Amino acid sequence: NAGVTQTPKFQVLKTGQSMTLQCAQDMNHNSMYWYRQDPGMGLRLIYYSASEGTTDKGEVPNGYNVSRLNKREFSLRLESAAPSQTSVYFCASSEYPGQETQYFGPGTRLLVL
Amino acid sequence: RKEVEQDPGPFNVPEGATVAFNCTYSNSASQSFFWYRQDCRKEPKLLMSVYSSGNEDGRFTAQLNRASQYISLLIRDSKLSDSATYLCVVTLRTGGFKTIFGAGTRLFVKA
Repeated sequence: NAGVTQTPKFQVLKTGQSMTLQCAQDMNHNSMYWYRQDPGMGLRLIYYSASEGTTDKGEVPNGYNVSRLNKREFSLRLESAAPSQTSVYFCASSEYPGQETQYFGPGTRLLVL
Repeated sequence: RKEVEQDPGPFNVPEGATVAFNCTYSNSASQSFFWYRQDCRKEPKLLMSVYSSGNEDGRFTAQLNRASQYISLLIRDSKLSDSATYLCVVTLRTGGFKTIFGAGTRLFVKA
């Protein structure tokens, strides 16, 4: 099993460009999450999907949109990238919302110039 | 005040040392508590849950003090491979749910 996979691993964007970060899990989990991690800030929740067909805002949703394409896939879109969105983005999944064990993907390192 | 606070460190210890990390949380309604480990440039992984009665997993011991709202992690007989960042994580239910990650404490174990 691959667990949680993310693409791309690295990306450089210019201000104003758009892109979609892809995430997929093969553990048949109901819940999926997108976090960003910045130095000294800890992981901050951007959006989550408690179950297929639902999405909700997390702590820092501004500038992002998400799509729960099916039970396996949860994508994060930056419509107009800004330098403040330079960060490491992690996708995670868990069997149920708020369950203790979240399984994380390897992360996407994004630099916005 | 941050909802989950940790000493960022770094903690520099020799192999074989015992090291303790503390974490405080601000919301008394917090329900579940965990320690995650994150290696440099890698994803976080669950290390252990923290129970009210305290729990141990090999060289690792986690404790919870609800009255004082803090969580601790003790690592005995430190190994070089323990070098990582340790994240304190708290979950609470407020209508939906909320999982809060601390910023982490960095540990370097030296030979």
